[in-house]
Amino acid sequence: QSALTQPRSVSGSPGQSVTISCTGTSSDVDSYKYVSWYQHYPGKAPKLIIYDVNKRPSGVPDRFSGSKSGNTASLTISGLQAEDEADYYCCSYVGSYTFVLFGGGTKLTVL
Amino acid sequence: EVQLVESGGGLVQPGGSLRLSCAASGFTFSSYSMNWVRQAPGKGLEWVSYISSGSTTIYYADSVQGRFTISRDNAKYSLYLQMNSLRDEDTAVYYCVSAGILTGYYKSGFDSWGQGTLVTVSS
Repeated sequence: QSALTQPRSVSGSPGQSVTISCTGTSSDVDSYKYVSWYQHYPGKAPKLIIYDVNKRPSGVPDRFSGSKSGNTASLTISGLQAEDEADYYCCSYVGSYTFVLFGGGTKLTVL
Repeated sequence: EVQLVESGGGLVQPGGSLRLSCAASGFTFSSYSMNWVRQAPGKGLEWVSYISSGSTTIYYADSVQGRFTISRDNAKYSLYLQMNSLRDEDTAVYYCVSAGILTGYYKSGFDSWGQGTLVTVSS
């Protein structure tokens, strides 16, 4: 199975909203509710920001939201802040053995 | 507070072996499944291996199947990754990652990550 497809980069100005897509297939994103998103600053540990498609762990601002339609999941960041500039990865459970697939990652630039 | 601290990375020649360790604290280690996830230089995240809380279920990515072995010692709050027959393409930062602590279910997402340990395979 191939990695999930994400745009390589997105950008937005402070205060704006951006959406990052994550496209899979009927065997992964479309088949399970277990889509998660990670924020990753280079040199740091990745951080879980969305799980189960649209749930936020405690402490993650509600500016971050997730959704899914068919085989495409999306992460929306509203009210962009400079500190949101990072790499973002989606991930989907795909069943036993293969277990999970990550997206290729999206670099968010805050202009 | 959940803490995961990896160790054991370093420089190794192609075909060589290395054993990574992860020391866990701040949660009941024996109750949660664990994973290794890696990131090669300039590349994205790649899941490597999964082990259930009682070591009864283990999965590997195709890229490491037959070469890597995941294990854990619940009494020592430790996770391990034995890496044999290492290749250039195994060069990466390796992260020790928990599942289910914050999310309540191991399939829901990787909820706590260590800082990572760098493995460099080169002659």
